[in-house]
Amino acid sequence: EVQLVESGGGLVQPGGSLRLSCTASGFTFSRYTMNWVRQAPGKGLEWVSYISAGSSTIYYADSVKGRFTVSRDNAKNSLYLQMNSLRDEDTAVYYCARVNSFGYAFDYWGQGTLVTVSS
Amino acid sequence: DIVMTQTPLSLSVTLGQSASISCRSSQSLVHSGGNTFLSWLQQRPGQPPRLIIYKISDQFSGVPDRFSGSGAGTDFTLKISRVEAEDVGVYYCMQATQFPHTFGQGTKLEIK
Repeated sequence: EVQLVESGGGLVQPGGSLRLSCTASGFTFSRYTMNWVRQAPGKGLEWVSYISAGSSTIYYADSVKGRFTVSRDNAKNSLYLQMNSLRDEDTAVYYCARVNSFGYAFDYWGQGTLVTVSS
Repeated sequence: DIVMTQTPLSLSVTLGQSASISCRSSQSLVHSGGNTFLSWLQQRPGQPPRLIIYKISDQFSGVPDRFSGSGAGTDFTLKISRVEAEDVGVYYCMQATQFPHTFGQGTKLEIK
């Protein structure tokens, strides 16, 4: 069974940093592209970042470029999102999502981890 | 950036009736390789999103065949036949043809 489990969320002050993790199981993690997507409280979905299977290709939303860094450790079946210079508007549930191999869609999602940026 | 516009934003449907959600993109979603990476996601209350349709009309594994997708270019539709109580939630279209990937605003489906 494919599982994605996010962790690392919490309360942080504006300007602070946080590192999110997403641990994968039930599939060969190293073969799949991954993404981060976030959802502010009561709002819609916002794509955040993309990382290819071998980490050679990375993209970011303009809203996080220069502040967030995505990475992965295929040996540990883990995806990461380092978030620096956090702002109030970064408050959201952060989901990791797998890209399927047959049609570029986000086929499996984690349960999400809540990041709250507040003083 | 490609803007995804969904209509309606809310939908109230009688059990057993059908529902239709429209999604329009600000530019063509046909990828240079010929595919169109338009998918539909369902988010039930308190749950993460769940993939239901990808590449316009392909059903994801385990999704009831009451869900179907159609469209081309810039206009797409999700149809739910014989709506059931478990279909309550918010539905999003999403384009992955171009970066940044973008989502529609979401359409909230409720039972009348």
